[in-house]
Amino acid sequence: DIVMTQSPDSLAVSLGERATINCKSSQSVLYSPNRKNYLAWFQQKPGQPPKLLVYWASTRESGVPDRFSGSGSGTDFTLTISSLQAEDVAVYYCQQYYSTTWTFGQGTKVEIK
Amino acid sequence: EIQLLESGGGLVQPGGSLRLTCVASGFSFKNYAMSWVRQAPGKGLEWVSSISGSSGNTFNADSAKGRFTISRDNSENTLYLQMNSLRAEDTAIYYCATGGGNDFVAHWGRGTLVTVSS
Repeated sequence: DIVMTQSPDSLAVSLGERATINCKSSQSVLYSPNRKNYLAWFQQKPGQPPKLLVYWASTRESGVPDRFSGSGSGTDFTLTISSLQAEDVAVYYCQQYYSTTWTFGQGTKVEIK
Repeated sequence: EIQLLESGGGLVQPGGSLRLTCVASGFSFKNYAMSWVRQAPGKGLEWVSSISGSSGNTFNADSAKGRFTISRDNSENTLYLQMNSLRAEDTAIYYCATGGGNDFVAHWGRGTLVTVSS
């Protein structure tokens, strides 16, 4: 199975500051024929199901604020929140769908400093 | 509006069985792969099983192989997860989600809680 490792496990950021979450896969999730990275990011708030933020590593889901952006390719990916808002407090997960046996990162908890 | 409504969770003894159901609406169910993803209390997300839209091809996590069976009824827009030989470590919220295989998850249900305990 492809192992997804996120860093850090948690981070505290001041309101309005940038938050950066990293995700590394144990093998490439880039499919060469279509040049797509099979990598998604989710946000999960307490007591709620996850919510899709980004797919294909960098395509923002409809309705997601543009302060959220995804980047990276191959095995190394980043989710950036450009200006942290109070409502962004949550746990964030990366997930690969390159393999039909999906795997998720362990999650990164984002809090307000 | 796409809606996924899970049911069938509850308290079951170790070794017991449960069948989870997910009723879908708001999209062409038969054209979408579907999946089950679970989350143990205070833990992260774990993929359990997926099924393709029309061909019925299934994919299972090692933790589900031989014990869990995913199926679907496209005429009823319904997804199922039959869970047998349940263990304490299967205790989790089970989410129904659109997507599977090489398709990403776009929508999630609110989940149903399964508790395996004597």
